[in-house]
Amino acid sequence: NAGVTQTPKFQVLKTGQSMTLQCAQDMNHNSMYWYRQDPGMGLRLIYYSASEGTTDKGEVPNGYNVSRLNKREFSLRLESAAPSQTSVYFCASIFNYEQYFGPGTRLTVT
Amino acid sequence: QKEVEQDPGPLSVPEGAIVSLNCTYSNSAFQYFMWYRQYSRKGPELLMYTYSSGNKEDGRFTAQVDKSSKYISLFIRDSQPSDSATYLCAMSPLSGNNRKLIWGLGTSLAVNP
Repeated sequence: NAGVTQTPKFQVLKTGQSMTLQCAQDMNHNSMYWYRQDPGMGLRLIYYSASEGTTDKGEVPNGYNVSRLNKREFSLRLESAAPSQTSVYFCASIFNYEQYFGPGTRLTVT
Repeated sequence: QKEVEQDPGPLSVPEGAIVSLNCTYSNSAFQYFMWYRQYSRKGPELLMYTYSSGNKEDGRFTAQVDKSSKYISLFIRDSQPSDSATYLCAMSPLSGNNRKLIWGLGTSLAVNP
């Protein structure tokens, strides 16, 4: 029972490159979220998926897209990376109000 | 003004001390109150969860909610070096909000042996 897994753990991109962050959960939860965490800004919600087949914008969606591939997987895509997207990205799986986080992806955009 | 305010610290205490971590909030609709612990370079993990007012105890940890003052606290008794982490408070109203949490910025705690 791995909980929430995220890949990759680390990534360095050049401005303008694209990449997809992968997240998977094995807890059979309906809801999944993507956050970014920055010093002094805390956790900010990028996108969320309340159930398979649905996605909605969070607090800071600009520059990102998401796909809820199936109940287990929720991916986050950066189409054209910018230095302002340098951050630590966390995926979370939600049961009622309890959120279970993955280990995070540290992304640097140069 | 942010909906949830949390002093970022850092807070440094000797091993064995009682630690008090606090958050204040402005939205009287909040009913669910949570504390998460985040070790360096790890994801947050749920520590304690309280619904509405009152106290909840789990081992060395006690969570307290004072809705009249819009104030929540986490107490750590007999603190250990392994308690060194950032502690985040989070809260949500009973309905609406799609169960999204409103987060504090976190308080960094160091327990010194």
